[in-house]
Amino acid sequence: DIVMTQSPDSLAVSLGERATINCKSSQSVLYSSDNENYLAWYQQKPGQPPKLLIYWASTRESGVPDRFSGSGSGTDFTLTISSLQAEDVAVYYCQQYYSTPPTFGQGTRVEIK
Amino acid sequence: EVQLVESGGGLVQPGGSLRLSCAASGFTFRSYWMSWVRQAPGKGLEWVANINQDGNDKYYVDSVKGRFTISRDNAKNSLYLQMNSLRAEDTAVYYCARDHWYRFSSDFDYWGQGTLVTVSS
Repeated sequence: DIVMTQSPDSLAVSLGERATINCKSSQSVLYSSDNENYLAWYQQKPGQPPKLLIYWASTRESGVPDRFSGSGSGTDFTLTISSLQAEDVAVYYCQQYYSTPPTFGQGTRVEIK
Repeated sequence: EVQLVESGGGLVQPGGSLRLSCAASGFTFRSYWMSWVRQAPGKGLEWVANINQDGNDKYYVDSVKGRFTISRDNAKNSLYLQMNSLRAEDTAVYYCARDHWYRFSSDFDYWGQGTLVTVSS
């Protein structure tokens, strides 16, 4: 199974500042046949199901604010919130879907400083 | 509007069984792979199983193989998870999720609100 490791486990960022979450996979999730990274990001607020933010490592899901962006390739990926808003307080997860079973990172909790 | 509504959770003793259901609406259910994803209390997300459009292709996480069975009824727009030989470590909120892509492994673009399964004596 591909192991997904996120860092940090938690971070506190001031309103309007940048938040950066890292995700590392134990093997590459870049598919050579289509040159796509099979990597997604989710946001989960307390008491709610996860919400898909980013897929193919950098494609924003419809309706997701453009302050959320994804980058990276191969085994190293980043989710950036360019200007943190109060409503962004949540736990964020990365997930690979290169192979089965699809696996998630342990989550990163984002709070307001 | 896509809706996924889970039901069937509850308290069950170790070794017992439970059947979860997920009622889907707002999209062409028979066209999509579907998954179950679980989340233990205060913990992260774990994919459990998925099933292809006609129900003939199924995958499971190793920890539930031989104990859980995923199935679907396209005529009823419903997804199921039969859980047998339940263990304390199966305690979690179980989410029904729609697979984003038509392949054996995918991300998930829609999720239900979840149903809580508690395995305890």
